[in-house]
Amino acid sequence: QLQLQESGPGLVKASETLSLTCTVSGGSISSVSSYWGWIRQPPGKGLEWIGNIYYSGSTYYNPSLKSRVTISVDTSNNQFSLKLNSVTAADTAVYYCARQDMVRGFDYWGQGTLVAVSS
Amino acid sequence: QSALTQPASVSGSPGQSIIISCTGSSSDIGAYGYVSWYQETPGKAPKLIVYDVSARPSGVSSRFSGSKSGSTASLTISGLQAEDEADYYCSSYTSSTTLDVRFGGGTKLTVL
Repeated sequence: QLQLQESGPGLVKASETLSLTCTVSGGSISSVSSYWGWIRQPPGKGLEWIGNIYYSGSTYYNPSLKSRVTISVDTSNNQFSLKLNSVTAADTAVYYCARQDMVRGFDYWGQGTLVAVSS
Repeated sequence: QSALTQPASVSGSPGQSIIISCTGSSSDIGAYGYVSWYQETPGKAPKLIVYDVSARPSGVSSRFSGSKSGSTASLTISGLQAEDEADYYCSSYTSSTTLDVRFGGGTKLTVL
């Protein structure tokens, strides 16, 4: 069974960079049918897609966040990471990592991690 | 990037059926067939319950069904049960060459 687990600081200062890592277990991040994504959910609000990465390094980003987001992959450690720079209070959210299948959508999710931005 | 439009809330009594709509445009739902639906309960990650408009992952109850007409997708839950009370989100691609995803704003289902 594929499992994903987010890790990283739960508190980030405004204007700094949010950094999270997702560790994949029970399967290979180099699976040809899998993309790996980040989704976030501000408190009391809906889901927002941040971006995806393929094991080859190809990335797709939400246009509204593209200027601040970098997603990278580390196939040797079966991990992928998110960096979001110049954060503000509006970036406070639960951040999820997930596997994305082209047809099925996001079929495996991490438990999510709350990241708060402090002033 | 505007969210797909869902009703903020729907409700129904046990045993009844409800429909949650998800309205997009010709640049997302209307263009691409890969609509997915997710169920989110408090404190848990979203769970995929419908994909490719109307397919169900293994283990998901047949009481959940999906459909699409034009730029609007729908999720039907039949035989409502108390455990169905949750938030539901739709999603669609917005491009044929990338995996850009757009989510709906979410619908809170209350089982009366």
